[in-house]
Amino acid sequence: GAVVSQHPSWVICKSGTSVKIECRSLDFQATTMFWYRQFPKQSLMLMATSNEGSKATYEQGVEKDKFLINHASLTLSTLTVTSAHPEDSSFYICSARPSGKAGELFFGEGSRLTVL
Amino acid sequence: AQSVTQLDSHVSVSEGTPVLLRCNYSSSYSPSLFWYVQHPNKGLQLLLKYTSAATLVKGINGFEAEFKKSETSFHLTKPSAHMSDAAEYFCVVSESNAGNMLTFGGGTRLMVKP
Repeated sequence: GAVVSQHPSWVICKSGTSVKIECRSLDFQATTMFWYRQFPKQSLMLMATSNEGSKATYEQGVEKDKFLINHASLTLSTLTVTSAHPEDSSFYICSARPSGKAGELFFGEGSRLTVL
Repeated sequence: AQSVTQLDSHVSVSEGTPVLLRCNYSSSYSPSLFWYVQHPNKGLQLLLKYTSAATLVKGINGFEAEFKKSETSFHLTKPSAHMSDAAEYFCVVSESNAGNMLTFGGGTRLMVKP
């Protein structure tokens, strides 16, 4: 099946620094990728929709300047948490949709961010 | 607008007994419905999906779900629970008129007692 890889799977950083998380579709091209955030013991919250070659679409309440999303190629989207603070600590999961296949969605393994 | 309600936040069963995880949805159009499983600190794995074909859908690891339009339900079942089934389960709905955006239920944590 289709594989989506996230890197890093775990990251610990100091408050005030920036962290980049990568989401790669390994064996398919993805025009659209999605970024989710999951708080402990809660469901997934869609943060933004990443479209290759254009600006990401952010959900209401998600700070664009805080969570920078870049989708420069059909196999890679990145989420950068800028000036991270402890409240940004969370589990971030990406998903990717193969180009031309509505409804099919594949998830990455997730990245756990801990901000000290 | 689409929405999903997972009726139980926690379900506890004994190993070898049946599993029932309940899900009700609201959708303006013919939806696609999914069940995903998430093990601790892991991503999501698709268990099964309904996309307007057979109403009884069989998935991986012995799970199945039945789409009941009259009841707007998509409950997940398994005849016999295994310890490895302990995880968080998410019911998800997607509508084509919503750009195939996924709406997640709140999740149900399944605990399996030995």
